Amino acid sequence: GAGVSQTPSNKVTEKGKYVELRCDPISGHTALYWYRQSLGQGPEFLIYFQGTGAADDSGLPNDRFFAVRPEGSVSTLKIQRTERGDSAVYLCASSRVPGTLETQYFGPGTRLLVL
Amino acid sequence: KQEVTQIPAALSVPEGENLVLNCSFTDSAIYNLQWFRQDPGKGLTSLLLIQSSQREQTSGRLNASLDKSSGRSTLYIAASQPGDSATYLCAGFGGSQGNLIFGKGTKLSVKP
Repeated sequence: GAGVSQTPSNKVTEKGKYVELRCDPISGHTALYWYRQSLGQGPEFLIYFQGTGAADDSGLPNDRFFAVRPEGSVSTLKIQRTERGDSAVYLCASSRVPGTLETQYFGPGTRLLVL
Repeated sequence: KQEVTQIPAALSVPEGENLVLNCSFTDSAIYNLQWFRQDPGKGLTSLLLIQSSQREQTSGRLNASLDKSSGRSTLYIAASQPGDSATYLCAGFGGSQGNLIFGKGTKLSVKP
């Protein structure tokens, strides 16, 4: 595909359940970022991958959140024991290489609702 | 810690007007700055990226400027159209690796 894709587009779950959100970056992009956007707010950084490794996970709110990128392409954000406060739009972005000279391209997001 | 503020939070203008959206950041050691557009229920579309060594970037009817000394960036939209209606977000790079720090956005409505 030409752009960043994310699945599912919407996810409704119950408090306490486990969810996985998938991101498929633009082919060949080595840098991948996850952000979370709450209603009326700008996106907030969660974690950044360079290749297969998490280069910066300082934005993850707590240890219920975890992300992987085992083959350096597709990434999965995993949330354990979901809470109502986790409800938000989870956005994924990729760039050709990491760094501040590179445009980040965003996917359409996954809208997570925790009941 | 870098913080980004956008003013105004919302703006409504008649079609054809030229308009300016403002973005300010607290840390003048900003690397680069990126402007995005977000349509309701959609992801973000990159509009312009300004490197810290540049003062402005232009794309069609859009012009973005960056003044590191004052910690400000502006997005100028010429001859606005109803299709420009969206939320506009500015983001500065929070570190050398490229994670972005966003403002809350300006919601623009252009009336026909």
